[in-house]
Amino acid sequence: QVQLVQSGSELKKPGASVKVSCKAAGYTFTTHAMNWVRQAPGQGLEWMGWINTNTGNPTYAQGFTGRFVFSLDTSVSTAYLQIISLKAEDTAVYYCARDLLPFHGGATGFDPWGQGTLVTVSS
Amino acid sequence: EIVLTQSPGTLSLSPGERATLSCRASQSVSSSYLAWYQQKPGQAPRLLIYGASSRATGIPDRFSGSGSGTDFTLTISRLEPEDFAVYYCQQYGSSPETFGQGTKLEIK
Repeated sequence: QVQLVQSGSELKKPGASVKVSCKAAGYTFTTHAMNWVRQAPGQGLEWMGWINTNTGNPTYAQGFTGRFVFSLDTSVSTAYLQIISLKAEDTAVYYCARDLLPFHGGATGFDPWGQGTLVTVSS
Repeated sequence: EIVLTQSPGTLSLSPGERATLSCRASQSVSSSYLAWYQQKPGQAPRLLIYGASSRATGIPDRFSGSGSGTDFTLTISRLEPEDFAVYYCQQYGSSPETFGQGTKLEIK
């Protein structure tokens, strides 16, 4: 079945970097956009942006430019989120979420979602 | 940026009752590009409704979505114990895609 499996929890010190992976299975990876969503502890959902899995072109939401990098390895059907120069306020669960519909299928909601990766930034 | 405001913040109901959740947008959501998600503690969100009124695969028909423009509603016709969770609306018609702050549906 279609699923996204993310890498495990991370504990990092301020100033370090982290790379979260999101491995797709059950469909052709390059046919659907991949989104990233942040959820701070006890808070709601915040869309970080998306990456075109066909071209590799990323789009970042305001507030997620500069220290956040979306990338791909299409050979292993995996999307990545890298966060550079981590700050305490980056502590959150990070989700990858695929567009429900393929490219050219129109705008769409997100389905499925990865299980989430908790990134904790603490000295 | 389109701001989505969900109400109420918390809804206390009993199993078997009907739940009505509201999502109001600060400007019109193009082409009714609005989705609803359910999130249970420790779990990822699950897509319930997209296109304002289309149920996602595997979603029971007690869940229904309606609305257009700036006002949208998620209705759960008869609450089951597993429906108590947090619900989010999302607009994906214009960038940035935005989520509402959530409605917590709790057991009364």
